Amino acid sequence: DIQLTQSPSSLSASVGDRVTITCRASQDIRNDLAWYQQKPGKAPERLIYAASTLLSGVPSRFSGSGYGTEFTLTISSLQPEDFATYSCLQWNSYPRTFGQGTKVEV
Amino acid sequence: EVQLVESGGDLVQPGESLRLSCVVSGFTFSDFWMDWVRQAPGEGLEWVANINQDGSKKYYVDSVKGRFTVSRDNAKNSVYLQINSLRAEDTAVYYCSRQLEVWGQGTRVTVSS
Repeated sequence: DIQLTQSPSSLSASVGDRVTITCRASQDIRNDLAWYQQKPGKAPERLIYAASTLLSGVPSRFSGSGYGTEFTLTISSLQPEDFATYSCLQWNSYPRTFGQGTKVEV
Repeated sequence: EVQLVESGGDLVQPGESLRLSCVVSGFTFSDFWMDWVRQAPGEGLEWVANINQDGSKKYYVDSVKGRFTVSRDNAKNSVYLQINSLRAEDTAVYYCSRQLEVWGQGTRVTVSS
């Protein structure tokens, strides 16, 4: 199984901060990676797919990059509604696997 | 509007069975793979299973193989997850998802004696 390791597991930030979350895969997954945002009690929402493609409607302050085994999600200027947990997912092979999540809090 | 609505979650005892359902609307159901993902309390997301458009291909995470069965009924725009021999570690919110793009709101399964 492909393991995805996110870092950090949690971070404290302020409105306006630049935030970067890393997702490392245990083997090459090309760009078969997505990022999700999840707020308490809610279903995850996909933000980015194919490592760097922003979904329609997702604010441009979100961006993704990477290929192979190392990926990043960046929020250029953190907004109040961005405080949430972010998870990466690989769909390169079965079983699909998620990173353990990164909680972004005040 | 794309909608996925899960149901069937309950409080059950270890060893019992449940059938989760997910009915969808707003898109051509038979064109898409469907996934089930679960999230234990306070934990991360775990992909559980998926099924292809006509039900001929199914994949599972190892931890549920032999106990979980995914199926679909394209005439009813529905996907199902049959869960047998429930264990405490199956306690989670179960989400159905269209190809991990769009998700339902989840249904809660609690396994406890």
